[in-house]
Amino acid sequence: GQNIDQPTEMTATEGAIVQINCTYQTSGFNGLFWYQQHAGEAPTFLSYNVLDGLEEKGRFSSFLSRSKGYSYLLLKELQMKDSASYLCAVMPGYALNFGKGTSLLVTP
Amino acid sequence: DVKVTQSSRYLVKRTGEKVFLECVQDMDHENMFWYRQDPGLGLRLIYFSYDVKMKEKGDIPEGYSVSREKKERFSLILESASTNQTSMYLCAGSAEARVYGYTFGSGTRLTVV
Repeated sequence: GQNIDQPTEMTATEGAIVQINCTYQTSGFNGLFWYQQHAGEAPTFLSYNVLDGLEEKGRFSSFLSRSKGYSYLLLKELQMKDSASYLCAVMPGYALNFGKGTSLLVTP
Repeated sequence: DVKVTQSSRYLVKRTGEKVFLECVQDMDHENMFWYRQDPGLGLRLIYFSYDVKMKEKGDIPEGYSVSREKKERFSLILESASTNQTSMYLCAGSAEARVYGYTFGSGTRLTVV
């Protein structure tokens, strides 16, 4: 089975940097995904990691350590519009298994 | 990008009714998925399909079935709706998942009364 853990809530200040952690245990591994979901909307794809290391995409970066079962999403230069839920998901086979999500609140 | 369309944004059904949730993708891609999302529980996989007439159970298939007669359409069926099936239902399709991830539909908020 799969077990994916991430913090329930986080708060950060506009312009700052925030790191959202995700730990996982899985029976198979075809990659780790991060999604962003604004309230009342569908999740949107942010990043994909399958090899160890850091993937950078603009203000967002994602890191993976397969041996530690650990990933993080790094958000730089936070903006108010970054207030959303961030979902960590693991693909053990065909389908994604999601964590419960981290609700990020960005304050002025 | 794959575009995924769910036919209804909001639905209200009565206990015991048979309910159909429809999902259509506009690209010729094999993989389609149904999730439900509940507060505090996150997204949970109900069923998925990797080809026409193929289906696989996810983590919570009880009380649900699916139909995939054509590649572009993946339907979720609640055989006899119950109040514990009140939820947000999200359909997703995947192109190159490693590049684009899954594309989700806008969701159907189902209330069973």
